Amino acid sequence: DGGITQSPKYLFRKEGQNVTLSCEQNLNHDAMYWYRQDPGQGLRLIYYSQIVNDFQKGDIAEGYSVSREKKESFPLTVTSAQKNPTAFYLCASSISGRFYEQYFGPGTRLTVT
Amino acid sequence: DAKTTQPPSMDCAEGRAANLPCNHSTISGNEYVYWYRQIHSQGPQYIIHGLKNNETNEMASLIITEDRKSSTLILPHATLRDTAVYYCIAKAYSGAGSYQLTFGKGTKLSVIP
Repeated sequence: DGGITQSPKYLFRKEGQNVTLSCEQNLNHDAMYWYRQDPGQGLRLIYYSQIVNDFQKGDIAEGYSVSREKKESFPLTVTSAQKNPTAFYLCASSISGRFYEQYFGPGTRLTVT
Repeated sequence: DAKTTQPPSMDCAEGRAANLPCNHSTISGNEYVYWYRQIHSQGPQYIIHGLKNNETNEMASLIITEDRKSSTLILPHATLRDTAVYYCIAKAYSGAGSYQLTFGKGTKLSVIP
């Protein structure tokens, strides 16, 4: 089955530690995205990538970093510089040019204490 | 992006049509209306989109008013599995380009048995 996988589903970290969230897709999509969702809120875009080895900042990129070395993979690192890292993180992908039809993964719930 | 306004919550009886309104009075001529939904603790799912004509697919129908200032998403026979938060997004589409979707708070639809 084609789809997007995010792992792990739940992640716990101590404050001051960097943590990397995994996102893999086998849909052969060129574009990939990372969103953050806080309780009761909509989604906010962190980073997106339209092609391998290229990515752009979204609305709330501060304290986050990404890489896109392979088409299938778009890992997100939450650094210690991110002031409020506890959130639900969602990864998505789309066919290039069809940004409006994004396929989302199941999400990773990160808790930092 | 045009601002969209949706009611925060709605109820619908199981088996009845669910009509979810969205106001986008400042929408410009090249902005499409997109609908997504998010079932609790899952990633959002694309439903449908349209520019000015009514659209229908296997999931829902989208009715856009002639002046394009508002639209309604219709789930013809709501089931309990349709309980979710529904997001209405108005966005311009210019073919190949790097565009991001802005998810607001949406409408929480509760389908009642």
